[in-house]
Amino acid sequence: KQEVTQIPAALSVPEGENLVLNCSFTDSAIYNLQWFRQDPGKGLTSLLLIQSSQREQTSGRLNASLDKSSGRSTLYIAASQPGDSATYLCAVRLGGYQKVTFGTGTKLQVIP
Amino acid sequence: DAGITQSPRHKVTETGTPVTLRCHQTENHRYMYWYRQDPGHGLRLIHYSYGVKDTDKGEVSDGYSVSRSKTEDFLLTLESATSSQTSVYFCAISESGSGSYNSPLHFGNGTRLTVT
Repeated sequence: KQEVTQIPAALSVPEGENLVLNCSFTDSAIYNLQWFRQDPGKGLTSLLLIQSSQREQTSGRLNASLDKSSGRSTLYIAASQPGDSATYLCAVRLGGYQKVTFGTGTKLQVIP
Repeated sequence: DAGITQSPRHKVTETGTPVTLRCHQTENHRYMYWYRQDPGHGLRLIHYSYGVKDTDKGEVSDGYSVSRSKTEDFLLTLESATSSQTSVYFCAISESGSGSYNSPLHFGNGTRLTVT
């Protein structure tokens, strides 16, 4: 069974700092990995999706990398801002549409 | 934002009553999903649909049923609500097509259900 781990569970950083969020998974035979952010009381907003054949994806200040062989993905946030404060989740798709496993998230607080 | 509307946004109900949650999409996506989110468990799949009248069970389907009579609507029914079904319920959609395995999931804003 695929297990997805996100460490740390919570992170607090000063504004302007570059930071890295981690996502580890146990089964490397994945189709893709998706990063989301979730604001309190809201749904999940898709940030980036990395296909299994890709090494990284970039969107603005966000860069996600994927290393299938080691079962790891990182989400790099450059020049963090208070508006980046949210919970960040990763989700790994093993195969069909029902085979998506979510991590429990990293709660990020960016302090002004 | 993907055009996904969940209703109601909040509901309080009593143990033993039936409850129906609605997910409506305007994206004409083939695949729709119901998840629940609980502290310490993350998001878990309840049921999913891969087309009109085509549905299947997910990881935590006991006590839930679904129906999809139109592409745009996916209903989740708690047949007899229990306190363990107190949770936040999310609907998600993804596209169809040959690249569907690499189509991103998009989520609605959720329904907070409390069973007393």
